[in-house]
Parts: sequence; structure tokens; C-alpha cells
Amino acid sequence: SQTIHQWPATLVQPVGSPLSLECTVEGTSNPNLYWYRQAAGRGLQLLFYSVGIGQISSEVPQNLSASRPQDRQFILSSKKLLLSDSGFYLCAWSVSSTQYFGPGTRLTVL
Amino acid sequence: SQELEQSPQSLIVQEGKNLTINCTSSKTLYGLYWYKQKYGEGLIFLMMLQKGGEEKSHEKITAKLDEKKQQSSLHITASQPSHAGIYLCGAAATSGTYKYIFGTGTRLKVLA
Repeated sequence: SQTIHQWPATLVQPVGSPLSLECTVEGTSNPNLYWYRQAAGRGLQLLFYSVGIGQISSEVPQNLSASRPQDRQFILSSKKLLLSDSGFYLCAWSVSSTQYFGPGTRLTVL
Repeated sequence: SQELEQSPQSLIVQEGKNLTINCTSSKTLYGLYWYKQKYGEGLIFLMMLQKGGEEKSHEKITAKLDEKKQQSSLHITASQPSHAGIYLCGAAATSGTYKYIFGTGTRLKVLA
């Protein structure tokens, strides 16, 4: 069966510091991968999606970036965090139309 | 752009009561997905509806997609404390796209 992992589970970072969140999927090949952000009281916002290694589509211009160095690995990064980057970050995968989500990373920028 | 509106935003029911959550789209839906989220956790996939008039059930949860494919309802029968959480509907932004849009969620609390 397929499993999706995210780490870290929680993170507290100062403004201006770098960020790296990692997501890995097990049990499937060539999945589509997604990064979402969920802000308090708001719905999920799609940040990036990838249909293959090195292929990244950005949905929202911001100071975040994503990379897919391996088939089942998706990384969300920032060089300098802003206060507005705080939120709950979710990684998801799909091979057909249904998306399956990871446990999430709670990021607090102080 | 397409939006998904959920109602109600929050719901408190007594254990054993039935309840319904609605999800309305501003455009035709190309696949409607229901998820459940516990606070601070990821989304758990419940079910997917694609055809107009389709209805699916999972345990005590039933979801329907109307004939015009612009509204879906999620119905819980004989609610239990384990049903508590946030229910979100999601949909493909356009046919064949990888991009989903989501409603803002319905927070359900079930009183024992």
C-alpha cells in the first residue's frame, strides 16, 4: 500500500531564516506530487505541483520554491521566511484523479 | 475562477443525530471529492463523485452529487463523536486538470 511521509511535523523559525520541508511517497511510481498551504480559517491553497522529476509548476508567486530531485521526493524551500509564510503545509500525491494527503507540517514564523 | 462554498461553516450536534453538509460550486464540477481532517492532521479521503446523480456511502456517511453537477451533499446518519472534525470538499478546477480547489470546510462537533 502507498504511504506518504512529511517532516518535520512542526517547525518554529525566525523571520529571514531558510526553510526546507520534505515529502516522500512509498508504494507507487511516478506519482503527481503537490504542496498545499492551509492558513487559519481558510481553505487549502495549491502552491506547487509536479508531474515528474524536475517538472515543477508554480501556482502562486511568492518567496517559496519546490524541487523534485527524485521520483517520490518533493521538497518545499525558502531562502528567507516571511511572517506570512506561517501555516500548515500539506503534501499530497495522486496517480489518477484522487489526491491523498500527508500528515502535514505546522510552520510558525516568528 | 471557480469557487466552492460549504455550508454550514460549523455544526454542533448531539450524538445520534443526523446532519448534512453542503458544497456548492460556481461552475460545473468535474469530480467532487470529500475529505475529513482532524485538527492539526492531514486530510483523509472519504469518497469521490463524478457522475450527475451519483451517490456513494462509506459506513454511516453518504455523499451525493446533484444532476447538474454543481452541488454535493454529505450526510451523516446517527452521528458519533468519532465523526467530529473538519469536512472539506474539493474539485478539479477544470476537466482533466491536476489542480484542485477546496471549500473552506465545515467544522463538526458531536456532543456525547
